[in-house]
Amino acid sequence: QVQLQESGPGLVKPSGTLSLSCAVSGGSISTNNWWSWVRQAPGKGLEWIGEIHHSAKPSYNPSLRGRVTISVDKSKDQFSLSLSSVTAADTAVYYCARNAIYCMDVWGKGTTVTVSS
Amino acid sequence: EIVLTQSPGTLSLSPGERATLSCRASQSVSRTYLAWYQQKPGQAPRLLVYGASIRATGIPDRFSGSGSGTDFTLTISRLEAEDFAVYYCQQYATSPLYTFGQGTKLEIK
Repeated sequence: QVQLQESGPGLVKPSGTLSLSCAVSGGSISTNNWWSWVRQAPGKGLEWIGEIHHSAKPSYNPSLRGRVTISVDKSKDQFSLSLSSVTAADTAVYYCARNAIYCMDVWGKGTTVTVSS
Repeated sequence: EIVLTQSPGTLSLSPGERATLSCRASQSVSRTYLAWYQQKPGQAPRLLVYGASIRATGIPDRFSGSGSGTDFTLTISRLEAEDFAVYYCQQYATSPLYTFGQGTKLEIK
């Protein structure tokens, strides 16, 4: 079965760029699925960041547009998140997920990113 | 943007009782586009229900979803100890594509 694993730095400086990857195992990223990033600030709810398909343009949450880029590397079966000009408000657990029928059916365990100098 | 409002914020019940969680949308949502998740502390969300009433793979039948239009409900017929968690509803729309409710915390009374 498909499993997802996030990776990346746990600490990012303010005004810097947050970069995370999500490795897909037990399956291929080049299926008909879209793949999402979702984050959760400490003690808060879930916020969808954006999604990508291996052969289509990504879609982003307008609240983050201009700062976020999601890309896919088919050769490595992974997709990535880049979030620029980060502030303390970007401190969160970041999850990658597989999109299913208008929902997300497989999630990574999440990775904590703290924005601090 | 469609806003999802979940109620109550916290629900205190005992094992064996029935839980009813509400999710109200600011505009009508197609049943196809409404999902529910469970999240336990330190864990990722787990998909429970999609299409408003279709249980995801492996989800016990004590979980059921219902509703249409702007009002949706997740019901847990007989609470077990493992069901105490935070529950989120989620909808799919145009922009942003996915939004979540603020969550309902189901705690042991």
